[in-house]
Amino acid sequence: NAGVTQTPKFRVLKTGQSMTLLCAQDMNHEYMYWYRQDPGMGLRLIHYSVGEGTTAKGEVPDGYNVSRLKKQNFLLGLESAAPSQTSVYFCASRASGTSTDTQYFGPGTRLTVL
Amino acid sequence: EDKVVQSPLSLVVHEGDTVTLNCSYEVTNFRSLLWYKQEKKAPTFLFMLTSSGIEKKSGRLSSILDKKELFSILNITATQTGDSAIYLCVLPDNAGNMLTFGGGTRLMVKP
Repeated sequence: NAGVTQTPKFRVLKTGQSMTLLCAQDMNHEYMYWYRQDPGMGLRLIHYSVGEGTTAKGEVPDGYNVSRLKKQNFLLGLESAAPSQTSVYFCASRASGTSTDTQYFGPGTRLTVL
Repeated sequence: EDKVVQSPLSLVVHEGDTVTLNCSYEVTNFRSLLWYKQEKKAPTFLFMLTSSGIEKKSGRLSSILDKKELFSILNITATQTGDSAIYLCVLPDNAGNMLTFGGGTRLMVKP
């Protein structure tokens, strides 16, 4: 049981390049989330999904797109990377139900945009 | 707008000390309150609290919630260097999706 995994762990991009971050979970969780964490700041929600085929905007969605084609995977895309997107990106998942608010986080992807 | 305030901002103690971390909050519709520990990487889950006055305990860590006074505390007894981390108090929104994070308490435990 690997929990939540993220690929890649590190990436360096040039301004204007595109990339996709992959999040996978093997806990059969309905909900999945993408966050970014900047130095000295808390986590901010980018996008989330409440089930396969659905996505919704979080607090800071601009410049990112997401897709949830399979229940276990949640992809985060950067179409045209900007230096302001240099950050650590965390994926999380959560089971459905009112008694399960706990989000389980992946190990993070450190992205640098030059 | 939901709000979470943690205190102190940082704390330095020696191994064996007991610490109390504070979290006060304002919320429109309370669903639960979560505590996480964040070391160098991802936050790891500690506790989920939903009811007032019921202590949750895991080893040397314990936490309790007061829904009347709108606060929670996290206690760590007999601290160890491995307890050094940022401790986050978190409020889910009514649907459980949007999390409001407190600023965190940075705990450093010296040998």
